[in-house]
Amino acid sequence: AQTVTQSQPEMSVQEAETVTLSCTYDTSESDYYLFWYKQPPSRQMILVIRQEAYKQQNATENRFSVNFQKAAKSFSLKISDSQLGDAAMYFCAYKKNYGGSQGNLIFGKGTKLSVKP
Amino acid sequence: DAMVIQNPRYQVTQFGKPVTLSCSQTLNHNVMYWYQQKSSQAPKLLFHYYDKDFNNEADTPDNFQSRRPNTSFCFLDIRSPGLGDAAMYLCATSGTRAGQPGANVLTFGAGSRLTVL
Repeated sequence: AQTVTQSQPEMSVQEAETVTLSCTYDTSESDYYLFWYKQPPSRQMILVIRQEAYKQQNATENRFSVNFQKAAKSFSLKISDSQLGDAAMYFCAYKKNYGGSQGNLIFGKGTKLSVKP
Repeated sequence: DAMVIQNPRYQVTQFGKPVTLSCSQTLNHNVMYWYQQKSSQAPKLLFHYYDKDFNNEADTPDNFQSRRPNTSFCFLDIRSPGLGDAAMYLCATSGTRAGQPGANVLTFGAGSRLTVL
């Protein structure tokens, strides 16, 4: 069975600084997707960034980038120039690629990120 | 904007009194999911529909049922809520066809927070 592990229950970063959230996963599949979702307090869960396992190039979205190490089954999220609005729970998630829209997201337990002004 | 709408956002019920949560989507996605998320925990999948096919997770209690009368709507019925069912209930959709951009991404609603007295 696939599992996702986030070893940092809480993290803190100073505004404008950089922070890295860790995620490891376990799977025997070769074709899958990895995601980071952000869930602000009492607000909607939104997609931050997505990585296809077959792509060697690390995904980037503005201030957000990932370090995808497929052999090590590691998928960390780097947030540059942290902003107060980045404060949220961050979930790492895995999804097997069935070729369409089938399948379920498997979530890690989350990392609560605080941003200090 | 196309989106996933959940109603009500907040629901208070009494122990044992049935409750129904609704989810509607304008994305025309073929897959709809119901997740249960307890405080400071990762979302846990209850069930999902792939088109009209209902898929129940093995550990989802019988107390939870779902209906999907059409592509746009999905309901979560809790027949006899207990104190342990107090949680945030998240609806999500997925529906991009294979090979299209955005494949395998889940779009979440804002959630329905259930309180059981």
